[in-house]
Amino acid sequence: DAGITQSPRHKVTETGTPVTLRCHQTENHRYMYWYRQDPGHGLRLIHYSYGVKDTDKGEVSDGYSVSRSKTEDFLLTLESATSSQTSVYFCAISKSTGANSGANVLTFGAGSRLTVL
Amino acid sequence: GDSVTQMEGPVTLSEEAFLTINCTYTATGYPSLFWYVQYPGEGLQLLLKATKADDKGSNKGFEATYRKETTSFHLEKGSVQVSDSAVYFCALWAGAQKLVFGQGTRLTINP
Repeated sequence: DAGITQSPRHKVTETGTPVTLRCHQTENHRYMYWYRQDPGHGLRLIHYSYGVKDTDKGEVSDGYSVSRSKTEDFLLTLESATSSQTSVYFCAISKSTGANSGANVLTFGAGSRLTVL
Repeated sequence: GDSVTQMEGPVTLSEEAFLTINCTYTATGYPSLFWYVQYPGEGLQLLLKATKADDKGSNKGFEATYRKETTSFHLEKGSVQVSDSAVYFCALWAGAQKLVFGQGTRLTINP
């Protein structure tokens, strides 16, 4: 999507290997998110960031870590990938300027499809 | 906790048919409600939103009304087109940076 780039777009890896997905934004927004999309579950929040070095857990954070050393980049790391982490991962940004704005609209990247064998 | 329930899919319709996709929610307080759409191979994009009771969101011929009394936000369109084929997600903003999604409904429109 405009302003958000995810890489890689596709990755196949083996169980037990580390994997890092990158999300890059060009719009300098404060809030960034990582979701995973699985059939029957919609999208579920993994982690989010509200600024450089400021991150928090979502509902499915086990097995994942994140880092944000620059405003524009938000990295999602699977330290030791498992087959249950096979999914499509979406990065999103929020253009909200308020932490609890009642009408936050998220803009999503195109997704990264990860297969763990 | 906060949750969203959508009608089970997939849904298949003929072109120009009337569309309804049901969405109900459970939440404390008064969340904002959204419909997102995902076209094949793409990320989600906002279709419409409503921020308070009785608000009607609309876009591209789609409409949804925030009904507090029935805790619903059903998506409707009077005459669907083949280009409307996509997966539709109902979602609510529960505060604390938490956008909660329904499971998605896959819509296919046949010419």
